[in-house]
Amino acid sequence: AQSVTQLDSQVPVFEEAPVELRCNYSSSVSVYLFWYVQYPNQGLQLLLKYLSGSTLVESINGFEAEFNKSQTSFHLRKPSVHISDTAEYFCAVSEPGGSQGNLIFGKGTKLSVKP
Amino acid sequence: SAVISQKPSRDICQRGTSLTIQCQVDSQVTMMFWYRQQPGQSLTLIATANQGSEATYESGFVIDKFPISRPNLTFSTLTVSNMSPEDSSIYLCSVEDPLAGREQYFGPGTRLTVT
Repeated sequence: AQSVTQLDSQVPVFEEAPVELRCNYSSSVSVYLFWYVQYPNQGLQLLLKYLSGSTLVESINGFEAEFNKSQTSFHLRKPSVHISDTAEYFCAVSEPGGSQGNLIFGKGTKLSVKP
Repeated sequence: SAVISQKPSRDICQRGTSLTIQCQVDSQVTMMFWYRQQPGQSLTLIATANQGSEATYESGFVIDKFPISRPNLTFSTLTVSNMSPEDSSIYLCSVEDPLAGREQYFGPGTRLTVT
């Protein structure tokens, strides 16, 4: 069965510092990969996704993630964070041929950006 | 993308009572999904709701405890029955875009506390 591991439950960083949120998945087949963000008291929003093609995907607010098949990872990075990036980030995986709704989530990483 | 609203946004309920959560989508969708997000845990799929048919429940979830209605293509309800403190969670509904690689759009969630 698929599983997603987010190694860090909390990541505190100072504003303008770089950050990496780690995500590893277990699957022996091809996958779709997602990062969702949940701002305080809001619902989940898609941040970025990997379906196929280029292994490096970017979001509109400066985050990027790289699909590494050999390491089964999809780490999320940002070179310089802002206070407004404070949120919880969830990594998720699904199989292209799997049943609809079969989106497996990690436990989330709380990013706290301090001034 | 789809815009999803949920009611109520939060509630505090007594043990043994039931709560019905409503989910409204701004477009017609075939399948809607209900998730539970327990404190400190990842999102777990409860069931998939198709319009005009019985909901499909994931392992560990049963219809008697979480009855679901899907009367039309834009609306669904989830009832949490005979609640106990262990049911305290955030409940989210979502819809999937089958043309976007299984990307799901989520509602803001309903934060339930059972005392």
